[in-house]
Amino acid sequence: GENVEQHPSTLSVQEGDSAVIKCTYSDSASNYFPWYKQELGKRPQLIIDIRSNVGEKKDQRIAVTLNKTAKHFSLHITETQPEDSAVYFCAASSPSRGAGNMLTFGGGTRLMVKP
Amino acid sequence: DTEVTQTPKHLVMGMTNKKSLKCEQHMGHRAMYWYKQKAKKPPELMFVYSYEKLSINESVPSRFSPECPNSSLLNLHLHALQPEDSALYLCASSQDFYDARNTEAFFGQGTRLTVV
Repeated sequence: GENVEQHPSTLSVQEGDSAVIKCTYSDSASNYFPWYKQELGKRPQLIIDIRSNVGEKKDQRIAVTLNKTAKHFSLHITETQPEDSAVYFCAASSPSRGAGNMLTFGGGTRLMVKP
Repeated sequence: DTEVTQTPKHLVMGMTNKKSLKCEQHMGHRAMYWYKQKAKKPPELMFVYSYEKLSINESVPSRFSPECPNSSLLNLHLHALQPEDSALYLCASSQDFYDARNTEAFFGQGTRLTVV
């Protein structure tokens, strides 16, 4: 099955700096890569995603890049703000044994933005 | 309506109790999921329902029993749980489990379950 590794597990940045979180995946059949933000005690919230036919996608201060050959994808947050502090999860969607599309999550990154 | 709604938000139950968690979505999604999330860990998939049929059971103990009464509702029946089952239980939905073009999954706010 799919295996997703995420680094770093914790990341502390100064407000205004950029933050980068990296994930690698193992299944070359994976075709969809979402990123979720989870604030303490709240639901995981989809913030950006990318499909395997695209190399980069941006939405205001966040961007995701995908390197299919190397099987890694990254989340970039620019001009970080204290409200960006949360746990971020990457995930990869690959065809399951039942031919459906199952999400496998990375271990999470705790991002702390210091004012 | 773009929300997945879960009830209750919090639940404390004894090891001999029977309780149910409920999940509802009105986005017309045909895939619904139960995940379990322990503190500081990613969500772990438990069950997948597609078109109201159970498609995936990730070897979950029988003390957890899912039910999908219709395309908008998903229940998780709990019986004889153990303290180690205490966790955040998340429901999610996506448009179609089998269509790779429609795999965006949206989560409910979860039920924080404590087994005493």
